[in-house]
Amino acid sequence: GAVVSQHPSWVICKSGTSVKIECRSLDFQATTMFWYRQFPKQSLMLMATSNEGSKATYEQGVEKDKFLINHASLTLSTLTVTSAHPEDSSFYICSARRLAGASDTQYFGPGTRLTVL
Amino acid sequence: SQELEQSPQSLIVQEGKNLTINCTSSKTLYGLYWYKQKYGEGLIFLMMLQKGGEEKSHEKITAKLDEKKQQSSLHITASQPSHAGIYLCGASYGNALNFGKGTSLLVTP
Repeated sequence: GAVVSQHPSWVICKSGTSVKIECRSLDFQATTMFWYRQFPKQSLMLMATSNEGSKATYEQGVEKDKFLINHASLTLSTLTVTSAHPEDSSFYICSARRLAGASDTQYFGPGTRLTVL
Repeated sequence: SQELEQSPQSLIVQEGKNLTINCTSSKTLYGLYWYKQKYGEGLIFLMMLQKGGEEKSHEKITAKLDEKKQQSSLHITASQPSHAGIYLCGASYGNALNFGKGTSLLVTP
């Protein structure tokens, strides 16, 4: 089956610093990847759609200058949380969209737990 | 507005009992995904349904999608402690998945 990895799996940083999270599709190419955020005891909320070779599309209420997304290749998307603050502490999950013929499936990474002190 | 409604919000069942979780969309679905999640961990893919009236089973878990492709149910037969976790339905309307709020399942001895 298709595999999506995330790195790091967890990170602790000081307030005001920037943190980069990587999402990789290991055995397929993904022109589209998605970034979700999940707060404790809540569901996943879509933050943005990452498109290879073009700008990301952000959901309403998500600051594009704070959450920088770069989809540099067909297997890698990065999310950078700039000037992180404690309220950015959350579980960040990416997914990669795999198109194979008539099949359109999303595969999720294992998530990255961000804690901002 | 929440396009995907999931119910119940939480569920406590005795081991061996059957249970059903429902997921209702306000729009016709392109695809419906069911995932299981342990708190703080990634999503475990269970099943995907795309065709109206489709039904899939894996071990003791069965998922159905209605003919109108707006409602799905996840049924667990003879629940076990290993079934405990958060169950999420995700709806595809052609792009990213929109998730329901999840159902927290606890299975008691």
